[in-house]
Amino acid sequence: QLQLQESGPGLLKPSETLSLTCTVSGVSISSTDYYWGWIRQPPGKGLSWIGSIDYSGSTYFNPSLKSRVTVSVDTSKNQVSLKLSSVTAADTAVYYCARHDEAAEGFHHWGQGTLVTVSS
Amino acid sequence: SYEVTQALSVSVALGQTARITCGGNNIGSKNVHWYQQKPGQAPLMVIYRDNNRPSGIPERISGSNSGNMATLTISRAQVGDQGDYYCQVWDTTVLFGGGTKLTVL
Repeated sequence: QLQLQESGPGLLKPSETLSLTCTVSGVSISSTDYYWGWIRQPPGKGLSWIGSIDYSGSTYFNPSLKSRVTVSVDTSKNQVSLKLSSVTAADTAVYYCARHDEAAEGFHHWGQGTLVTVSS
Repeated sequence: SYEVTQALSVSVALGQTARITCGGNNIGSKNVHWYQQKPGQAPLMVIYRDNNRPSGIPERISGSNSGNMATLTISRAQVGDQGDYYCQVWDTTVLFGGGTKLTVL
């Protein structure tokens, strides 16, 4: 059964780099069938896509975040990683990793999410 | 840039039919996906590609998409259907609607 688990520091200071890991179990992230995405949700607000990576390592980003985002995979650990540089309070959110079948497809499986707070 | 719009809230009487809409220019030409989110939980896909239910989603939840509006229909609404509902499309980027809060009275 597919499971996704996000992990990483819950508190950052402004200007630091957010680094999160999504550990996938139940399926190989190298599978050509899947894409892996990151979505965030500020407290009390809606969902916002950050970016995705496919089996070949090709990445797709929200244009509003593209200059600050890196998404990568570690096939040896079956993990997907997110880095977001130069964070501000506006980056405070619950961060989810999720699986979709193609860039244009919906997210069939989600992790439970992890709250990241940016505060001085 | 493409935008999708949702009403902030929808209320429905217990046992009646709720309709949650997602508007966008010619959205009928796009695949629309729907998610339910309850407080403190991750989103759960309830409809994909306009009108397909993932395994485990009851038949009383359905979707349609035509013209400038996609609709999520919840028949025989239950208290357990309460939550926020988000539509999602792809238009050179992944786009989510702002979400609709469903209240079952």
